[in-house]
Amino acid sequence: QQQVKQSPQSLIVQKGGISIINCAYENTAFDYFPWYQQFPGKGPALLIAIRPDVSEKKEGRFTISFNKSAKQFSLHIMDSQPGDSATYFCAANQAGTALIFGKGTTLSVSS
Amino acid sequence: DGGITQSPKYLFRKEGQNVTLSCEQNLNHDAMYWYRQDPGQGLRLIYYSQIVNDFQKGDIAEGYSVSREKKESFPLTVTSAQKNPTAFYLCASSNPPMYEQYFGPGTRLTVT
Repeated sequence: QQQVKQSPQSLIVQKGGISIINCAYENTAFDYFPWYQQFPGKGPALLIAIRPDVSEKKEGRFTISFNKSAKQFSLHIMDSQPGDSATYFCAANQAGTALIFGKGTTLSVSS
Repeated sequence: DGGITQSPKYLFRKEGQNVTLSCEQNLNHDAMYWYRQDPGQGLRLIYYSQIVNDFQKGDIAEGYSVSREKKESFPLTVTSAQKNPTAFYLCASSNPPMYEQYFGPGTRLTVT
């Protein structure tokens, strides 16, 4: 019930394409869903986050889509660039509890 | 320039030795966290602290210890009881606790 399942494990996208990473959760009490971006040898950086009262949040080329009934949320990267090549982690939690992280997706954007 | 600093970036130790990893933040955050990252495993929570002089075990606390004597500092000791200590260790902080966690650059520990 506490797991966050992330897919795919790895993803290769052409430059200019759309990258889509999916996460699923079981605990309906979760109320915070962030995405992190991590470059090799660096710490993760908070990219974008959403609360369950909205179905979509957009920041630049990055969009979170949230489906409360399906208990799924996804990250869409529009116009993917080689500089977006990194590992992406989804996470979820409810108030006062620890973030539960997915196992990560390694994105490679080919030029 | 606000942020989280971790030192050292790389650390090498012999098996059986305790080692302490440093984490400092100047973001004035109440909560601080330690995670361990192994390839393909995501981030696993070791310990967290929501206030000075208080901390709680995470999912994989065995073989680790922490202290929180100052708001800015949350050092992690990897003891000789930790069976497989070689990993990438990440410190994070947040305010309010548990949301919007910001990570440091990490310390890569290698034990041989």
